Formats: sequence, structure tokens, C-alpha cells
Amino acid sequence: KAGVTQTPRYLIKTRGQQVTLSCSPISGHRSVSWYQQTPGQGLQFLFEYFSETQRNKGNFPGRFSGRQFSNSRSEMNVSTLELGDSALYLCASSQTGFTTEAFFGQGTRLTVV
Amino acid sequence: GENVEQHPSTLSVQEGDSAVIKCTYSDSASNYFPWYKQELGKGPQLIIDIRSNVGEKKDQRIAVTLNKTAKHFSLHITETQPEDSAVYFCAASKDTGNQFYFGTGTSLTVIP
Repeated sequence: KAGVTQTPRYLIKTRGQQVTLSCSPISGHRSVSWYQQTPGQGLQFLFEYFSETQRNKGNFPGRFSGRQFSNSRSEMNVSTLELGDSALYLCASSQTGFTTEAFFGQGTRLTVV
Repeated sequence: GENVEQHPSTLSVQEGDSAVIKCTYSDSASNYFPWYKQELGKGPQLIIDIRSNVGEKKDQRIAVTLNKTAKHFSLHITETQPEDSAVYFCAASKDTGNQFYFGTGTSLTVIP
């Protein structure tokens, strides 16, 4: 069974640009969550999508947004990039999303210059 | 919101010794506690989890204990091996969806 796939693995963007990251969950999983990982703040929850609806949202500015498609694949978008957005962005998928096992992808390393 | 604290931040043990990592949580509604192992350049890997209706769970060399009253849970690794070297994260969640609150991580080094 294929794991969680995130693309691209690495990205370099300039301040002010926008970026879109993609996550393909494990087949049959309907919940996708996104996390930002930085050395200073650790792993912080961005948002969760379940059956194409945002079910939970973390404490990030509106520049961070996401969506989920009918095949459960998810994208997150960051607009007007800032230097502080440089981080490893991880997505995690689970079957139903209610206190069930969640499996992470390898992440997308975003560098903003 | 939930606050998860994790100690120690770094831990070095000799190969074959045991390692213990401890976490506390603040929200009594949290009922699911997974542990993740993250190796350099990789995403976190689920290694064991425990639910609030269970006090202890074991999987080969790895065990997790949960004390709901005290709101703390611990990861125990016995007979450590060099390949156990990694960063370990504890997390907590509740029945509001797939939203985890993570501890700050423990960098474990197993010295051969």
C-alpha cells in the first residue's frame, strides 16, 4: 500500500510570491491534516480536511489556505510569502480522522528568500 | 487549547540500555496519545499509540504508559539499538477531528 505522497519535496520561493503544495493520502483515507515544522516552533497544526470540508483550523493567518478534492487529495496554498514561512510542511492522512492513526508524508521543504 | 510538554529535550544512552521520554498534557478531554519517530530528512513515523481507556501498551521493545489522573504519558524503549537514534515526539488529540498537539521533541542518541 502506498504511503502519503507530498509534492514537491523542495521549493525555493521569493518573498511576496505564492506557493501551492500537494498531498496525496493513503488510499481509502478521507482525512488530511497539514502541519508546519520549524526548529523554533516545532510541529504546529495548520488545518484539517475531511470529505472536502475544513473540519479544524489552527492559529495561522489567512495567507494559509487549503482545500481537498473528491479523491481526498489535498492542497495547501500560502500567499504573499514571508521569510518566516520557511519550514517543512507535513501532511498526515487518516481513515476517519477521529482519534485514529495518522500517517505522515515526507514533507515539502519550503525556503523563502 | 491543549498544551503538551515533553522531557527531556535530549537523551543519550548506551546501546542496550533503556530510554524513557515523558510528556504531560493539560486538556482532560484529550483521549488519544500517539508517539512518532522522526529521522533526519523524513516525516514523522507512528511507532505506538495509546487511548485513554488503556493504561499501558507494549509492542516488542517499545511501551507506552498513560496516567489519566496525572495527565502524563511516557514512552519506554528497552534494549536500545543505534537505529533507535532519532527525534521522538509525543502528541495528544481529542474527538474533534484529526488535530494533534505535539510536544517539542526528544533527540535520542544511542551510543554503540
